Amino acid sequence: GDSVTQMEGPVTLSEEAFLTINCTYTATGYPSLFWYVQYPGEGLQLLLKATKADDKGSNKGFEATYRKETTSFHLEKGSVQVSDSAVYFCALKDNQGGKLIFGQGTELSVKP
Amino acid sequence: GAVVSQHPSWVICKSGTSVKIECRSLDFQATTMFWYRQFPKQSLMLMATSNEGSKATYEQGVEKDKFLINHASLTLSTLTVTSAHPEDSSFYICSARDPARQGGGQPQHFGDGTRLSIL
Repeated sequence: GDSVTQMEGPVTLSEEAFLTINCTYTATGYPSLFWYVQYPGEGLQLLLKATKADDKGSNKGFEATYRKETTSFHLEKGSVQVSDSAVYFCALKDNQGGKLIFGQGTELSVKP
Repeated sequence: GAVVSQHPSWVICKSGTSVKIECRSLDFQATTMFWYRQFPKQSLMLMATSNEGSKATYEQGVEKDKFLINHASLTLSTLTVTSAHPEDSSFYICSARDPARQGGGQPQHFGDGTRLSIL
């Protein structure tokens, strides 16, 4: 079945460092891909999305490109802030049933 | 933007109690809502898909008699954990899809979650 694999956390960075969180997926067909962010004690918020190959999603300085050839959707940010500390989830959605399948989440901790 | 409200945000109760969690879409009508369960430092596991006016679709391994789902209106779905026990303690999150936004990129909007602690 469909699945999503993320790099394990926690990831600890200093403020203004470059961030990459790897995400790869396995799916039949052409899923849509998402990154969600979860701040402590809260639900999930959509960070960005991409619906087809080579699409780049971007928001709040984060970006990710849908790479069909490598089945990847890595999250990047050029300069992280303390306020970016959260858990980040990569997810895919098949275009039939509409279910979201999540990766295991990657905890990011940014130190001042 | 689309908002999903979940209530309560935190509940502590005794073993054997039944607990109801509400999920409301505040500014759109949601024919489909989803219920997830999240254990500490783990990912979200889909429990069931709630369909307005029909029975919920449960994922494999989820006890439908234990986790009762009702989606009686286009803006409200409820999850009732019946006769809750300590092993039911978890973070429960709902989400809703806005049918007015079609296409594969249609995101789900999540509630803030309910932390359930069974003593």
